Amino acid sequence: GAVVSQHPSRVICKSGTSVKIECRSLDFQATTMFWYRQFPKQSLMLMATSNEGSKATYEQGVEKDKFLINHASLTLSTLTVTSAHPEDSSFYICSAHFEGANYGYTFGSGTRLTVV
Amino acid sequence: GESVGLHLPTLSVQEGDNSIINCAYSNSASDYFIWYKQESGKGPQFIIDIRSNMDKRQGQRVTVLLNKTVKHLSLQIAATQPGDSAVYFCAETRGNTGKLIFGQGTTLQVKP
Repeated sequence: GAVVSQHPSRVICKSGTSVKIECRSLDFQATTMFWYRQFPKQSLMLMATSNEGSKATYEQGVEKDKFLINHASLTLSTLTVTSAHPEDSSFYICSAHFEGANYGYTFGSGTRLTVV
Repeated sequence: GESVGLHLPTLSVQEGDNSIINCAYSNSASDYFIWYKQESGKGPQFIIDIRSNMDKRQGQRVTVLLNKTVKHLSLQIAATQPGDSAVYFCAETRGNTGKLIFGQGTTLQVKP
């Protein structure tokens, strides 16, 4: 149980275009989801906390107009990277809070974004 | 965002030896800690967790130790295997519904 599905796993886009990443909780309802970004050989950096039915809370230094987060249902959160630039190339990972057992947080498999 | 953007240190061990991976956490108010394993190109995988009212917890081949006095967390892996090669992160949060903040991470290399 407590599976999070993240799509796409890899995406290449041109500079100036937008990319949407989806994160779905498959067998549980996630009222809260988290979005992380990870650069090569670095740790996961929290970008924002996404709450179902309300606006996302962004971490300091993360541009909310560039990284649009929508959490319209209890099983789906999306991250849209708008007007992507090469410096946005990174590994993006979502996480959902899971009620029960020891697995408080479960992670998606990540999305490798390359902006060319 | 939070977290430390430094390059990951590396721990190299011989297959069969025990591994100890250390982590210093930042927030004295954190009360729940998790160790994750991350393989290349994948999301983090849960290993073991511990709450602040405990100082030790054991799983299968893994043990987590928590020292709240010095805000230090360690992960011990017994009889390390090649399949244990990965990056290991500690993460902390306050309350189990709060933001999960990741530590620096350590690359574990297991030599055959």
